[in-house]
Amino acid sequence: ETGVTQSPTHLIKTRGQQVTLRCSSQSGHNTVSWYQQALGQGPQFIFQYYREEENGRGNFPPRFSGLQFPNYSSELNVNALELDDSALYLCASSLGTGGDEQYFGPGTRLTVT
Amino acid sequence: GQSLEQPSEVTAVEGAIVQINCTYQTSGFYGLSWYQQHDGGAPTFLSYNGLDGLEETGRFSSFLSRSDSYGYLLLQELQMKDSASYFCAVKGRTGANNLFFGTGTRLTVIP
Repeated sequence: ETGVTQSPTHLIKTRGQQVTLRCSSQSGHNTVSWYQQALGQGPQFIFQYYREEENGRGNFPPRFSGLQFPNYSSELNVNALELDDSALYLCASSLGTGGDEQYFGPGTRLTVT
Repeated sequence: GQSLEQPSEVTAVEGAIVQINCTYQTSGFYGLSWYQQHDGGAPTFLSYNGLDGLEETGRFSSFLSRSDSYGYLLLQELQMKDSASYFCAVKGRTGANNLFFGTGTRLTVIP
């Protein structure tokens, strides 16, 4: 059983640029959630995808967008990067949306300069 | 909205027992989870309480009182490897298991 994987591991971007982060869900999982974790803080929910449809969104502006593909992998896109977007971006997968446990990937560390 | 409060730091001795408290305020409550995160690592699931009472999983136990909007994580027989951040989290809403996390408790286990 393959766990949740994310790419890239680290990324450095300049303010105003755009970035795409990728996530492969755990085998058999059809639900992917994205979180942003600033240093010293808890993860904050960005949005969730279930069977290729957005299934809930947190308090993030529209420049944060996502996709889920037929194989249930997912992308997080952030446009017009700001310095405050520097954070660890975590992807979590689960089977369905009603489960109690989410499986997190190792994250992508994004630095915006 | 949701807000969760945890102590920011706790220090305990190896072999001892430690309790990490979590109080929450939510517009709707669908369960309290606990996650562990080592430095540089991913959060990993420890425990979930949907109903009042105690859930036990090995050295870890979690308790929930919905009437008090309160829960705790109990770690027994502490080991050095238990040094990590511990987060309580509530489910966002029914039909979606997205989580709202607290700010985390940094546990340091000392010899």
